Parts: sequence; structure tokens; C-alpha cells
Amino acid sequence: DVKVTQSSRYLVKRTGEKVFLECVQDMDHENMFWYRQDPGLGLRLIYFSYDVKMKEKGDIPEGYSVSREKKERFSLILESASTNQTSMYLCASSSPGGTTDTQYFGPGTRLTVL
Amino acid sequence: EDQVTQSPEALRLQEGESSSLNCSYTVSGLRGLFWYRQDPGKGPEFLFTLYSAGEEKEKERLKATLTKKESFLHITAPKPEDSATYLCAVQGGGNFNKFYFGSGTKLNVKP
Repeated sequence: DVKVTQSSRYLVKRTGEKVFLECVQDMDHENMFWYRQDPGLGLRLIYFSYDVKMKEKGDIPEGYSVSREKKERFSLILESASTNQTSMYLCASSSPGGTTDTQYFGPGTRLTVL
Repeated sequence: EDQVTQSPEALRLQEGESSSLNCSYTVSGLRGLFWYRQDPGKGPEFLFTLYSAGEEKEKERLKATLTKKESFLHITAPKPEDSATYLCAVQGGGNFNKFYFGSGTKLNVKP
């Protein structure tokens, strides 16, 4: 079974803090993704990576950065947390090939910025 | 504009009352359509991938079908444990890494 794990289920931070969210997958997937999910807005793509040290902006990259130093690990960084970044953060991974590639999600991190 | 629309937003069923959830899409160059189940406070759990019109997939009480413009998730004789939000996503639109997600249908099955 594919397993995607995220470092924290719940996180509370203060405005202006630097926040690191970690994601690890154990299936040797090339692609990894960070989404945020908000009521009424659905899932929105923040960044994705298709290889080590490679990254591409998604739909809402402002205020975020990412790091992928190893294939299995993809980190999301909030450089200076703000209250409008309070959200559920979801990591996903997939392996390209065939007709399409299914994304498998982690359990999510509920981040609250005070 | 590439987008995915799910209906209804919410659905309340009695246990055993079969129904269908709809996912319509305007994404060009479909590479795949995905159904996920999401429980409150958790990440989406993969259910099905459909690749081409006419394809069907089944798992227990769930059956997913695909046409050129929409997909249906049929739930036969649902149980309370089927209560969850069901998400639809479409891969396509020229960027094979791009997934377009619908806003989901929140299903509540009463005993």
C-alpha cells in the first residue's frame, strides 16, 4: 500500500513565525504535491515537484516555498505565517506512467495561525 | 475554462436508499478522472480512476461510470459508514501534472 505521512496532524503557530510542514512517501514516487483545503474553495495546488530539487508553482504559491532534497521527502515552508494561511494542508504523491497517475494523499495537517 | 463541478453539494439518504453523485467537467484532453472519499479531518482516500468514456469501476456498494462530459458515483443500498465527502478530480488540460478538483458532495446516510 502507498503510504504518505505528514509530520503533524495539528499545528498552532503565531503570526510571523517560520513554519515547516514535512511530507514523506514510501513508494518511490517521482511527483509530490502540496495543497491547501478550505471550506467552499476545495483543494488548491500550492506547489509540486516532479523530481529531486525540481519544483513548480501551482495556483496559489504566494507566501510559500518548498524544498525537495530527497526523493521521498517534500517540505512546505511558510516564510512568515499569516492568519490567512490557517488551513488544512494536504500532501500527495504520484508516479507518472501509463495513461495517468493517481495521486495518493497524506492524512493532512491542520494549521492554525494566531 | 477548465473546471470540475460536483452536485449536489450535500445529500442526505436513509440507509438502503440508493442514489448517485454527479461530477461534470469541462477540462480538455482528459487523461483520467478520479474519485476520492474524505472523512472529516482526514486526507482524501483514493477510490477509483476512470480513463475513457464508457468505463465503469466497482467497489463494494460504489460504482463509478464515465461519459465524455461527466461521471457518476452510484451508491447502492448505502450504510451509515458510507457517510463522507466524495471528491472528484480530473487530470488533463494540457498539463499532465494538473489535477482539477471539484468541491465535493457531502453524503450523510441515516440509520
